[in-house]
Amino acid sequence: DARVTQTPRHKVTEMGQEVTMRCQPILGHNTVFWYRQTMMQGLELLAYFRNRAPLDDSGMPKDRFSAEMPDATLATLKIQPSEPRDSAVYFCASGLEFKETQYFGPGTRLLVL
Amino acid sequence: SQQGEEDPQALSIQEGENATMNCSYKTSINNLQWYRQNSGRGLVHLILIRSNEREKHSGRLRVTLDTSKKSSSLLITASRAADTASYFCATVAPPGNTGKLIFGQGTTLQVKP
Repeated sequence: DARVTQTPRHKVTEMGQEVTMRCQPILGHNTVFWYRQTMMQGLELLAYFRNRAPLDDSGMPKDRFSAEMPDATLATLKIQPSEPRDSAVYFCASGLEFKETQYFGPGTRLLVL
Repeated sequence: SQQGEEDPQALSIQEGENATMNCSYKTSINNLQWYRQNSGRGLVHLILIRSNEREKHSGRLRVTLDTSKKSSSLLITASRAADTASYFCATVAPPGNTGKLIFGQGTTLQVKP
């Protein structure tokens, strides 16, 4: 049963520390999305990749966030330096170009103290 | 940035009853999707309806779309305790091949046994 995996599942860190979240998309999928979910803002799209190329990262705070796909099996989202307001659940989703359904990972629950 | 609003924000019903959730959106769409999120989990795709469709069924789910009113509804018939979850609508803007989903705030459904 193919699934999107995310690591770590939970992360507690102190303000100012670097946080790296990883995502393994479903094998064969060529689109990857990063979302952030908070009670106040709901689900927000942070970044979007197609065939490993970043297509849209307009939802991402550029000064501290960066997203990359070093290869087709790994997507990373980094926050440096982290701030308490970054506390949220970060979801990765993957899909196939021209297929609208997205498959979500279980999320990384981040708490920045 | 949220595309849509969902109504009601929370819904509590007895097992066996029907649950109806509504979603309104602001801009033109290529398609609209509904996702379910169980507590502490990632989102799971339920059903997709295209802008040229008015109604779609999948098992106990029925989705309607009224593009003139920019609204959609999700009906879950004969609800079960396992249907307890949050339900989100998400829209894809034309031309549709970006895969970018814009989510509503969600409706939290509680089904009491």
